[in-house]
Amino acid sequence: EADIYQTPRYLVIGTGKKITLECSQTMGHDKMYWYQQDPGMELHLIHYSYGVNSTEKGDLSSESTVSRIRTEHFPLTLESARPSHTSQYLCASSDTLSDTGELFFGEGSRLTVL
Amino acid sequence: KNQVEQSPQSLIILEGKNCTLQCNYTVSPFSNLRWYKQDTGRGPVSLTIMTFSENTKSNGRYTATLDADTKQSSLHITASQLSDSASYICVVSDRGSTLGRLYFGRGTQLTVWP
Repeated sequence: EADIYQTPRYLVIGTGKKITLECSQTMGHDKMYWYQQDPGMELHLIHYSYGVNSTEKGDLSSESTVSRIRTEHFPLTLESARPSHTSQYLCASSDTLSDTGELFFGEGSRLTVL
Repeated sequence: KNQVEQSPQSLIILEGKNCTLQCNYTVSPFSNLRWYKQDTGRGPVSLTIMTFSENTKSNGRYTATLDADTKQSSLHITASQLSDSASYICVVSDRGSTLGRLYFGRGTQLTVWP
């Protein structure tokens, strides 16, 4: 199994709250990603990082922000949660040296904003 | 527009039966195609990868095929088990891992009944 961990697994919060979804990996991968997944829909890339102090926005516009201060840690923060942010958030990492680009996913964080 | 289309959207089969899932893509250029299995409430896990020169690849009871000319791939599951119940996601990369972008299908939800 992949050594990539997400917390919390489930979170129910009220509108306007600030939340941080944690993601850590112990594989030493340079590349890390955040995807948003809604039922029956494809995964959408919202943020990615190619290494420490490198962060980029993905294809799907998101009001969240990310940071990459350490190789193993890639937290995602929502300053003021809204019901439209209700979704499953998946963190992933990949090895830069790999030619095939396999993604290793965490278990996901299911966020519900009331 | 680069796209990945999967069919059927959902499938129910009896335990022990075989099934085939389809993935059609329009992604160009093409680097590789992966099939991921996503159990309910978990992150996706890679089952197999197909590169341009490969036609067939097996991983236990899973056999993937690729026709790069028609841009079609299939995932065949033999002698299905209850644990095969999951969403199967087709992901196409347009270049190598360093520069490549990933295109996700919406997945096929497979349910195996006893």
